[in-house]
Amino acid sequence: GAVVSQHPSWVICKSGTSVKIECRSLDFQATTMFWYRQFPKQSLMLMATSNEGSKATYEQGIEKDKFLINHASLTLSTLTVTSAHPEDSSFYICSAREEQGAANSPLHFGNGTRLTVT
Amino acid sequence: KNEVEQSPQNLTAQEGEFITINCSYSVGISALHWLQQHPGGGIVSLFMLSSGKKKHGRLIATINIQEKHSSLHITASHPRDSAVYICAVPGGGADGLTFGKGTHLIIQP
Repeated sequence: GAVVSQHPSWVICKSGTSVKIECRSLDFQATTMFWYRQFPKQSLMLMATSNEGSKATYEQGIEKDKFLINHASLTLSTLTVTSAHPEDSSFYICSAREEQGAANSPLHFGNGTRLTVT
Repeated sequence: KNEVEQSPQNLTAQEGEFITINCSYSVGISALHWLQQHPGGGIVSLFMLSSGKKKHGRLIATINIQEKHSSLHITASHPRDSAVYICAVPGGGADGLTFGKGTHLIIQP
């Protein structure tokens, strides 16, 4: 079945450094991927929609210069947390639909990345 | 924006019990997702349904579009069913989803 691979699964970094998280669709092409953030005991919150070959669409309150998204190919989207601070510590997870533009097509999630900024 | 409410927030049950988790939403939708989040954080899509009922193994999902309500049932529950179960509906950005806060389920042996 369709699989989305996310890497790394966890990362610890120092405040002020940047961290890149990769999300790959392994056996299907994903022109659109979604990035979510989840704080402890909270629900998943959509951060941005990653569009292959064009700029990402960010949700209100998400700084585009802070969370850089690149979707350079049909199977890879990356999220870079720039100048990370302890408040960026969270669980980041990506997802992609098997059929692009079809709201009712199956949604596949990566296993998530737990980011800890010290 | 669609508001999603799940209940209960936490549920502890004994192995073998029949489990029901509820989800209500505020705006009409085309489909609803039930997701399972494992303790490590990974998420698995269990069901996507737009009407009626779907069954997969010991899991059953139902939806009532008119009442804007869905339920997830687990029959003959097992400790490995312990996870967070999340209801999600379209909204929250282009083709994105709005998620419920999840139901933390613990099945004790």
